Amino acid sequence: NAGVTQTPKFQVLKTGQSMTLQCAQDMNHEYMSWYRQDPGMGLRLIHYSVGAGITDQGEVPNGYNVSRSTTEDFPLRLLSAAPSQTSVYFCASNQPGTYEQYFGPGTRLTVT
Amino acid sequence: RKEVEQDPGPFNVPEGATVAFNCTYSNSASQSFFWYRQDCRKEPKLLMSVYSSGNEDGRFTAQLNRASQYISLLIRDSKLSDSATYLCVVIEDMRFGAGTRLTVKP
Repeated sequence: NAGVTQTPKFQVLKTGQSMTLQCAQDMNHEYMSWYRQDPGMGLRLIHYSVGAGITDQGEVPNGYNVSRSTTEDFPLRLLSAAPSQTSVYFCASNQPGTYEQYFGPGTRLTVT
Repeated sequence: RKEVEQDPGPFNVPEGATVAFNCTYSNSASQSFFWYRQDCRKEPKLLMSVYSSGNEDGRFTAQLNRASQYISLLIRDSKLSDSATYLCVVIEDMRFGAGTRLTVKP
């Protein structure tokens, strides 16, 4: 099993550009989540999904969209990148009831 | 007050030392907590869970103090390989602390 994979590993965007961060898992987990991690702030939940076709907002959803058309994939879209979105983005998955989240290796995004 | 708060450290300790970190939380209804370990520029990985009875795994002990609303992580006989950042998380809120950095020196 590859676990949770994320692409790209690194990305530089200009303000106003859009892009999609990809996340996939092969563990057949129902739950998937997106976090951002900034220095001194810890991991903050952006969006999460409890199953295909179901998504919900987390603590910091503004500027991001998600969709969940399959169990395996949970892409995160930045519609119009801003410098405040410079961060490390982690995708995670888990089975309902276990709460142990498996994280992907992260995407380091810089917006100039 | 932050909902989940940790001393950022860094904690610099010699090999073999015992070190403890605390993590305070504001939601008194919280029941379940985890400690994660995060190496530099890597993803977090689960270290151990913390429920009402606490948890022990080898050199690591996690405890919950519900009255004072904090959880603790105790590491005995520190190894160089324990150097990392330790994150606590409140499961019900999916809120992570900012992490405590530990460096174990020879």
